[in-house]
Amino acid sequence: EPEVTQTPSHQVTQMGQEVILRCVPISNHLYFYWYRQILGQKVEFLVSFYNNEISEKSEIFDDQFSVERPDGSNFTLKIRSTKLEDSAMYFCASVSGAGNFYEQYFGPGTRLTVT
Amino acid sequence: AQTVTQSQPEMSVQEAETVTLSCTYDTSESDYYLFWYKQPPSRQMILVIRQEAYKQQNATENRFSVNFQKAAKSFSLKISDSQLGDAAMYFCAYRSPTSGTYKYIFGTGTRLKVLA
Repeated sequence: EPEVTQTPSHQVTQMGQEVILRCVPISNHLYFYWYRQILGQKVEFLVSFYNNEISEKSEIFDDQFSVERPDGSNFTLKIRSTKLEDSAMYFCASVSGAGNFYEQYFGPGTRLTVT
Repeated sequence: AQTVTQSQPEMSVQEAETVTLSCTYDTSESDYYLFWYKQPPSRQMILVIRQEAYKQQNATENRFSVNFQKAAKSFSLKISDSQLGDAAMYFCAYRSPTSGTYKYIFGTGTRLKVLA
């Protein structure tokens, strides 16, 4: 069964450094998302991406964040200058766009630790 | 804005017993979608069960069923005949039909432990 994959599983970086989190959504899916979960808190929506552009972003998704789908398969989240409070689990998800539930398929997550 | 609340950070159940995980939400919309996702340790979230708000009948998937109380804005998950493999983090999620992006709003999750 097709799965969403994410790399790396764990990324440790120093404050101020740039990080890129990578996701490979399920092929033929049309909608893509990034969520994050700070330890002990709820999973929060960051951004949605459709038709090669951002369709919605949350207040968390400020100028330090960007997303890209460079080659039609990968979907990346870049944080330009990481802060300690960016430490979290980051989940990628995709939606096929078929049916009416538009259920999301999630990747296993990338744990980002900013020191 | 919609919110989702899971008031039980952790629950335990004996193998073969039944457990109910609670979820409440707040919304002014009359139609929406609700989901329960399971996240095993170090694995991705997978869909357990889903419910359309306009359907009065509670959804059922094998040992998993929901008790959907629309007026009370409650969407609890019942797991019957609990198995060791049910041990996981369970997330309740809400999706608005008016969101053109189909994003989810999540609760904080409930960690379920299954005791042998």
